[in-house]
Amino acid sequence: QKEVEQNSGPLSVPEGAIASLNCTYSDRVSQSFFWYRQYSGKSPELIMSIYSNGDKEDGRFTAQLNKASQYVSLLIRDSQPSDSATYLCAVINTGTASKLTFGTGTRL
Amino acid sequence: DAGVIQSPRHEVTEMGQEVTLRCKPISGHDYLFWYRQTMMRGLELLIYFNNNVPIDDSGMPEDRFSAKMPNASFSTLKIQPSEPRDSAVYFCASRGEGAGAGANVLTFGAGSRLTVL
Repeated sequence: QKEVEQNSGPLSVPEGAIASLNCTYSDRVSQSFFWYRQYSGKSPELIMSIYSNGDKEDGRFTAQLNKASQYVSLLIRDSQPSDSATYLCAVINTGTASKLTFGTGTRL
Repeated sequence: DAGVIQSPRHEVTEMGQEVTLRCKPISGHDYLFWYRQTMMRGLELLIYFNNNVPIDDSGMPEDRFSAKMPNASFSTLKIQPSEPRDSAVYFCASRGEGAGAGANVLTFGAGSRLTVL
């Protein structure tokens, strides 16, 4: 089982709709979670980080974390063509506090 | 700040040749990471340094790969000899020591696209 799993997509959503991206992780003691966006041919850039159960909102983006179910999601409201990119979920696990492990990404 | 600077941006070489990729982290950042990205495997951590010292190199695929960080502003990733399966985009990233909400946030360089023929 991969440490961090994402549906590779592609995920298509109409302009103006909500895009929902999901990520599951295998290590129950994972402690920090990140969503990076990567445009084609570019490097990943941080969108959001989340550390506690629940929702965290930043503009059109909402990150949701459920540690009991071991999943983290990213919602993008009012989706725009400029949101078309690959979204990478990343986690840091207890005991490897500096080691960020990425999923393979979901293409939106 | 100019961000994380990588060179070369593109490298095409023949199998068996030595390849050296270079990285200059953001000034003041204590951690430096080398990742490799392919379509099949995504972003894989190869090695990371803290204060110029290699901490975890468990992701280095084999002895053909080596990485050094002689000082706080420079790191190299070397592949010798290179093979076609090494073709990938290699990213360097750095971060500071900070705690709290900004902790563990990586800033990536633009990447070095390597093609081994």
